[in-house]
Amino acid sequence: SQTIHQWPATLVQPVGSPLSLECTVEGTSNPNLYWYRQAAGRGLQLLFYSVGIGQISSEVPQNLSASRPQDRQFILSSKKLLLSDSGFYLCAWSAQGLSNQPQHFGDGTRLSIL
Amino acid sequence: AQSVSQHNHHVILSEAASLELGCNYSYGGTVNLFWYVQYPGQHLQLLLKYFSGDPLVKGIKGFEAEFIKSKFSFNLRKPSVQWSDTAEYFCAVNVGDYKLSFGAGTTVTVRA
Repeated sequence: SQTIHQWPATLVQPVGSPLSLECTVEGTSNPNLYWYRQAAGRGLQLLFYSVGIGQISSEVPQNLSASRPQDRQFILSSKKLLLSDSGFYLCAWSAQGLSNQPQHFGDGTRLSIL
Repeated sequence: AQSVSQHNHHVILSEAASLELGCNYSYGGTVNLFWYVQYPGQHLQLLLKYFSGDPLVKGIKGFEAEFIKSKFSFNLRKPSVQWSDTAEYFCAVNVGDYKLSFGAGTTVTVRA
């Protein structure tokens, strides 16, 4: 069966420090991959998605970037974190093919910027 | 861009009561509709989905949802809730481009 792993579960970083959150998927090939930010009372906001290695689409302008160095690996990064980057970040995957495939979510990373 | 509205921010009810959560979307074309649930301390899980066919879809744990195209709605229902249904519920819409647009979520608290 397919599984998705996200780490770390929680992270506390100072303003101006770099960031790297990792997400990996097992049990499937060539998945679509997604990064979301979840804010209380505001649902999930799609940040990035990828339909293949090296293919990244950005949904909102921000201080973050994403990369997909391997088929089942998706990384969320920043060179210099801002206070406004605090939040709960979720990675998700869906099967390739039809665009209506449901997405499957990881456990998330709680990021606090001090 | 399409938007998704969930009308209730927080719903509190007693066990055995009936539940209905509203979801409306703004998009005139073909849509794929989803309800996700997030139980306390757990990850988001798919509750049910609608792509085509019978507009009344049944999901896990006794939930169902009805797609009413003329009202742009996809309301979630459960005839008799249990304490274990306490969770946050999200409606989401896909318009055929791999992306999901989520509503703000509804927190459901079921009192024993």
